[in-house]
Amino acid sequence: AQSVSQHNHHVILSEAASLELGCNYSYGGTVNLFWYVQYPGQHLQLLLKYFSGDPLVKGIKGFEAEFIKSKFSFNLRKPSVQWSDTAEYFCAVIPEGDNYGQNFVFGPGTRLSVLP
Amino acid sequence: GAVVSQHPSRVICKSGTSVKIECRSLDFQATTMFWYRQFPKQSLMLMATSNEGSKATYEQGVEKDKFLINHASLTLSTLTVASAHPEDSSFYICSARDFAGSNNYGYTFGSGTRLTVV
Repeated sequence: AQSVSQHNHHVILSEAASLELGCNYSYGGTVNLFWYVQYPGQHLQLLLKYFSGDPLVKGIKGFEAEFIKSKFSFNLRKPSVQWSDTAEYFCAVIPEGDNYGQNFVFGPGTRLSVLP
Repeated sequence: GAVVSQHPSRVICKSGTSVKIECRSLDFQATTMFWYRQFPKQSLMLMATSNEGSKATYEQGVEKDKFLINHASLTLSTLTVASAHPEDSSFYICSARDFAGSNNYGYTFGSGTRLTVV
């Protein structure tokens, strides 16, 4: 079964600092990859996703992620964070071709706190 | 876009009582909905897959008699925590997939329910 790990439980940054959140997965086949964000008191929202093609994926709010197949990684980046980016970030994986979602696996999440 | 409404957002109940959590797809029909549970500082764990008009499929280790799932219509799934105990305190999230609209899986999540059993 696939699994997802995220490198940090809690990251604290000052505004304008650069961000990189690590995500690694284990699965022998082809996967589709996602990053979700959960702002305090709100629902999970899709930040970006990778299915195929350019391994550098751009998402909403200035986020991007790079899929490195050889490293089984899908790290999330943002060049300059804002206080409003304070949230919990989840990396998720699903095997390609899974149409029913039973194997949608989330990482444990990384809490990002941005200090004004 | 697709919206999933989850209610209530917070509930505090006494040990031994039952709690019902609703998950509604507001502008699409969801033949399948998913229920997740999140423990503090841990990942979202899939508890069960709720299928409209049939029995839910539970993940290994999830007690089907404790976590009762009903998916009676294409827009509503409910999770009932029966005879809740303090160890059931957690954050429960539902999600649904809008098959009609996308080639990107189209998962939409509810806002979650914080259950505290005292």
